[in-house]
Amino acid sequence: KNQVEQSPQSLIILEGKNCTLQCNYTVSPFSNLRWYKQDTGRGPVSLTIMTFSENTKSNGRYTATLDADTKQSSLHITASQLSDSASYICVVSALDNAGNMLTFGGGTRLMVKP
Amino acid sequence: SQTIHQWPATLVQPVGSPLSLECTVEGTSNPNLYWYRQAAGRGLQLLFYSVGIGQISSEVPQNLSASRPQDRQFILSSKKLLLSDSGFYLCAWSVKRGQFFGPGTRLTVL
Repeated sequence: KNQVEQSPQSLIILEGKNCTLQCNYTVSPFSNLRWYKQDTGRGPVSLTIMTFSENTKSNGRYTATLDADTKQSSLHITASQLSDSASYICVVSALDNAGNMLTFGGGTRLMVKP
Repeated sequence: SQTIHQWPATLVQPVGSPLSLECTVEGTSNPNLYWYRQAAGRGLQLLFYSVGIGQISSEVPQNLSASRPQDRQFILSSKKLLLSDSGFYLCAWSVKRGQFFGPGTRLTVL
């Protein structure tokens, strides 16, 4: 069964500090992995998308890594800001003969405090 | 984990032919389900939404229809496709914390 597990479930950090969120997956056949940021009450916004051959991708202060061998990904946030407070969701895409499928992680709720 | 599945991933159909796109969601109960279309170079257009089995609301008049035969299954259909039906069709589901889009089906009508 396809699964995406995220850790930690929640995280509190001080403004200006760095943090790293983890995502482990067992999705096959793997197509790509996406990180989304979702503010409370709003739809998710895509941060990064990585295919099998990509190890790292950056979007401003967000840097995502992917290890396709160990099936792990991380999202590193540098110099956190209060506006980074949100849920961060890891989504893994599989593509087979029948079509497309997305599997969602449970998310990490990040709170940045002044 | 919640999973959303759309198929087929791509489809090429002649004008006048029927259409059936399927979307299924796993790992959640009683979700709201949505069908969107995105024409080339344009934004998302909401076509249908459903709050439960057999409950379909249509946002725009068109030759498409939708059905929800099961709690986590949403189907988009047409009896006769038009050229203007070409586009990228997205299924989405939502619970309180937000709306999540499926991977989409790219439909080309020739």
